[in-house]
Amino acid sequence: AQTVTQSQPEMSVQEAETVTLSCTYDTSESNYYLFWYKQPPSRQMILVIRQEAYKQQNATENRFSVNFQKAAKSFSLKISDSQLGDTAMYFCAFMTPNRDDKIIFGKGTRLHILP
Amino acid sequence: GAGVSQSPSNKVTEKGKDVELRCDPISGHTALYWYRQSLGQGLEFLIYFQGNSAPDKSGLPSDRFSAERTGGSVSTLTIQRTQQEDSAVYLCASSPRGGRQGYEQYFGPGTRLTVT
Repeated sequence: AQTVTQSQPEMSVQEAETVTLSCTYDTSESNYYLFWYKQPPSRQMILVIRQEAYKQQNATENRFSVNFQKAAKSFSLKISDSQLGDTAMYFCAFMTPNRDDKIIFGKGTRLHILP
Repeated sequence: GAGVSQSPSNKVTEKGKDVELRCDPISGHTALYWYRQSLGQGLEFLIYFQGNSAPDKSGLPSDRFSAERTGGSVSTLTIQRTQQEDSAVYLCASSPRGGRQGYEQYFGPGTRLTVT
């Protein structure tokens, strides 16, 4: 079975600090996609970043970057220069294309950015 | 362009009543998903549509839940004889499903359902 595990239910960091959210997954597939979604208190889920498994280069979107370790099945999210607006629930997600198209979500990490 | 929209944004209903939740996906997106999210929890997959067909209904929690999609666009999630445990936020997402457009899902703002 394919699973996604986020081992940090909740984290707090000071504004402007760098924070890393961890995510591990389990699959026997070789081709898949990984995502990080952000859900602020407004509850609108927003895609933060995505990574194709066949790409070795880590994805980056402005202050957000990932550390993708395929052999270790690890996909952590690093937020640099954290801002108050980064306060949200963060979900790691996994998908195998052309299989069942179901995205499997982790249980989330609640991140608080403190002023 | 317009994102995924859902209506109503909030719904309060009495136990035992039926409710319908609506989702308008992004135009051209072939895949549509329904999830349920209880307070402070993760996402529980309910059902997935590819076009108008639902190849995966495995997440529907009981036969009180049903969903349909017409014209490859709008989808309705119906909950019959609502129970208090049905109270949650119901999220809809659509996806272009592959190709250059990728596989990520775009979410609507959700419908908060409260069963009293």
